[in-house]
Amino acid sequence: QKEVEQNSGPLSVPEGAIASLNCTYSDRGSQSFFWYRQYSGKSPELIMSIYSNGDKEDGRFTAQLNKASQYVSLLIRDSQPSDSATYLCAVRTSYDKVIFGPGTSLSVIP
Amino acid sequence: DAGITQSPRHKVTETGTPVTLRCHQTENHRYMYWYRQDPGHGLRLIHYSYGVKDTDKGEVSDGYSVSRSKTEDFLLTLESATSSQTSVYFCASSGANNEQFFGPGTRLTVL
Repeated sequence: QKEVEQNSGPLSVPEGAIASLNCTYSDRGSQSFFWYRQYSGKSPELIMSIYSNGDKEDGRFTAQLNKASQYVSLLIRDSQPSDSATYLCAVRTSYDKVIFGPGTSLSVIP
Repeated sequence: DAGITQSPRHKVTETGTPVTLRCHQTENHRYMYWYRQDPGHGLRLIHYSYGVKDTDKGEVSDGYSVSRSKTEDFLLTLESATSSQTSVYFCASSGANNEQFFGPGTRLTVL
């Protein structure tokens, strides 16, 4: 079992819809969770961090964490074509390493 | 955004030659990282540093070495480049909260 898993996609959503990106992790002791966005040919950029169970909202982005289910998600409301990118989930494990998932490719169709 | 730069941005070299990539950050971050990113593999950690002269191996460290003589600089050396090391290399830095900020990347081609 890989330590951090994501659906590779591509995930296609129409403009204005909600995009839902999912991530699962294997280390139950993980405490910190991060979402990064990476445009083609560019470096990853941090979107959000989440550390406790529940929802965390920042503009059109909402991160959701459920430690019992070992699941973290990112919702993008009112999706725009400029949101088309690869989204990377990263998890800080109990042994103090940050592990990145393989990423989910999102395409927002105008 | 963290001020983090990488040099060179592009490099073409030949098999068997040593190559050094440089990462420079101006955020006084304690932690620095080197990753490579390849299609189908995502981001893979090569080496990381948790302080000046304190480094440790990541998951794909064979053939690579690092040095950190100053807080702001983290060097990655390919001791004898091979074609399998053709990749995009990213440097990142973070504070204690592990929020990593990435440099623009170096595209390395080994012929």
